[in-house]
Amino acid sequence: DARVTQTPRHKVTEMGQEVTMRCQPILGHNTVFWYRQTMMQGLELLAYFRNRAPLDDSGMPKDRFSAEMPDATLATLKIQPSEPRDSAVYFCASGLSRTGADETQYFGPGTRLLVL
Amino acid sequence: AQKVTQAQTEISVVEKEDVTLDCVYETRDTTYYLFWYKQPPSGELVFLIRRNSFDEQNEISGRYSWNFQKSTSSFNFTITASQVVDSAVYFCALSEENFGNEKLTFGTGTRLTIIP
Repeated sequence: DARVTQTPRHKVTEMGQEVTMRCQPILGHNTVFWYRQTMMQGLELLAYFRNRAPLDDSGMPKDRFSAEMPDATLATLKIQPSEPRDSAVYFCASGLSRTGADETQYFGPGTRLLVL
Repeated sequence: AQKVTQAQTEISVVEKEDVTLDCVYETRDTTYYLFWYKQPPSGELVFLIRRNSFDEQNEISGRYSWNFQKSTSSFNFTITASQVVDSAVYFCALSEENFGNEKLTFGTGTRLTIIP
């Protein structure tokens, strides 16, 4: 049963610290998304990649957030320095973009981040 | 710009009642996808259905059914004979088709509580 995996599942850190979240997309998927969920903003897209190239990161605060795909099996989202307003659940999702493919995004379990 | 509206913030029904969750969307594209995701109390996002803009046939899957009407830009979700396990937050989402598997725009969600 193929799934998107995310680590860590929970993270508590202090303001100013660096936070790195990792995502392993479903094997064979070529599109990876990062979403953030907060009570105030709901679910919002931060960034996404296709074939490891960034397509859109307009939803991400550029001064402190960075997203990368070092290889096809790993996506990372970094916050440096973290702030209390970054507290949220961060979801990774993956999908397959190809003509005739099942163009559905499958979500990981999320990383619940609390910045004190 | 695309937009998804879920006007019902919270709904409570007694078990075995039928319940319909409303979703209204806005898009300028003629090709797009609509989705429903379920977020149970455990927090993960579970894919329920994907519908493309050219397929207006209603769909039924067990106790779940979906009514897609382009004329009213709506994609409503009905649960028949509701059960306690249906208690969750349900999100409607829209993806505009440029090259397949594009970013999702989510509604604010409807929290459904099934009362035993």
